[in-house]
Amino acid sequence: AQTVTQSQPEMSVQEAETVTLSCTYDTSENNYYLFWYKQPPSRQMILVIRQEAYKQQNATENRFSVNFQKAAKSFSLKISDSQLGDTAMYFCAFPNAGGTSYGKLTFGQGTILTVHP
Amino acid sequence: DTGVSQDPRHKITKRGQNVTFRCDPISEHNRLYWYRQTLGQGPEFLTYFQNEAQLEKSRLLSDRFSAERPKGSFSTLEIQRTEQGDSAMYLCASSYDLEAETQYFGPGTRLLVL
Repeated sequence: AQTVTQSQPEMSVQEAETVTLSCTYDTSENNYYLFWYKQPPSRQMILVIRQEAYKQQNATENRFSVNFQKAAKSFSLKISDSQLGDTAMYFCAFPNAGGTSYGKLTFGQGTILTVHP
Repeated sequence: DTGVSQDPRHKITKRGQNVTFRCDPISEHNRLYWYRQTLGQGPEFLTYFQNEAQLEKSRLLSDRFSAERPKGSFSTLEIQRTEQGDSAMYLCASSYDLEAETQYFGPGTRLLVL
């Protein structure tokens, strides 16, 4: 069974600083995708960034980037120039790659990020 | 470009009552997923449709739960004889098979069973 682990229940950062959220996973698949989602308080789950395992280049979306270490099965999210609006719960997620469960996401436990002014 | 919508956004019901939730996916998306999320936890998979076919149901989905996607467009999730343990956020997500399995989530339906 696939597992996703986020070992940091809570993190905090000052506005304009950089923070890194950790995620590790376990899979026997070789080609797959990994996702980070953001869920602000009482608001909708939003896709932050996506990484394709067969691509060696780390994904980047504006202030958000990942450090993907396939051999170590590690997928961390770096947020640069943190903004107050980044305050949210962040989930790492991993989809099933085939069969009748295709695309089913397994989520980590989440990391609550608070950005302080 | 409309996203995934869910209705109602909030539902309060008494134990033993039946409730039904609706999800409208992004129009060209052929895959639809239901998840359940309890406070402070990550979402847990409930069930998955490809077009109108329900391809998998989680063991979390007891016999009191049923989901349909009759024409491969919107979906409904019904809970019969609700229990207090059913209180949670029910999330719907949709995806398109040519877009790398990326799922887009709706705002969720928050259920409170008294």
